[in-house]
Amino acid sequence: GIQVEQSPPDLILQEGANSTLRCNFSDSVNNLQWFHQNPWGQLINLFYIPSGTKQNGRLSATTVATERYSLLYISSSQTTDSGVYFCAVVGGGSNYKLTFGKGTLLTVNP
Amino acid sequence: DGGITQSPKYLFRKEGQNVTLSCEQNLNHDAMYWYRQDPGQGLRLIYYSQIVNDFQKGDIAEGYSVSREKKESFPLTVTSAQKNPTAFYLCASSKRTGQTGELFFGEGSRLTVL
Repeated sequence: GIQVEQSPPDLILQEGANSTLRCNFSDSVNNLQWFHQNPWGQLINLFYIPSGTKQNGRLSATTVATERYSLLYISSSQTTDSGVYFCAVVGGGSNYKLTFGKGTLLTVNP
Repeated sequence: DGGITQSPKYLFRKEGQNVTLSCEQNLNHDAMYWYRQDPGQGLRLIYYSQIVNDFQKGDIAEGYSVSREKKESFPLTVTSAQKNPTAFYLCASSKRTGQTGELFFGEGSRLTVL
């Protein structure tokens, strides 16, 4: 099956700093989503982005499907941005299974 | 408000007992899913359903059972056959199957086996 690798596994920032999270995948994808898991465990949808670039406030994402990677940018980070960020994909050979990476644990210090 | 409701949020059970986790959605979504998350890990698919009265096994279905009698509901039973049931369980739904449909998740149910 498709493999999803996220980097870095851990990231510590000071409030106000910018960061880039990366997601590499091993095959073509039909679906790619970025999630933020808050400290209570809930998964919050950030982007549905199988290709192209999207922006939502301080967050933006870019997926280059031909090169099999996606990037999540967080600008002017805030303490509330802390948590785990997951990338998840549906591979070209699947019609249902969202495969998750292991996540990036982001800690934003005041 | 539209969304996905999971209950209970926390559940304790003794070894050898079955337990059922509830998942209800009012988004009029066709597809529903159950995922399991272990500490420090990503999510793994247990079961999914694309339409009422139909469901398929995911990667880790052993020791679990589901039903889909109504479009809005997709309960998960963790049976005594599941060897390591302590985990965080997340239910999700999508308008269409995962190939093109964006998934949305409930708040999760945390199961602890004593």
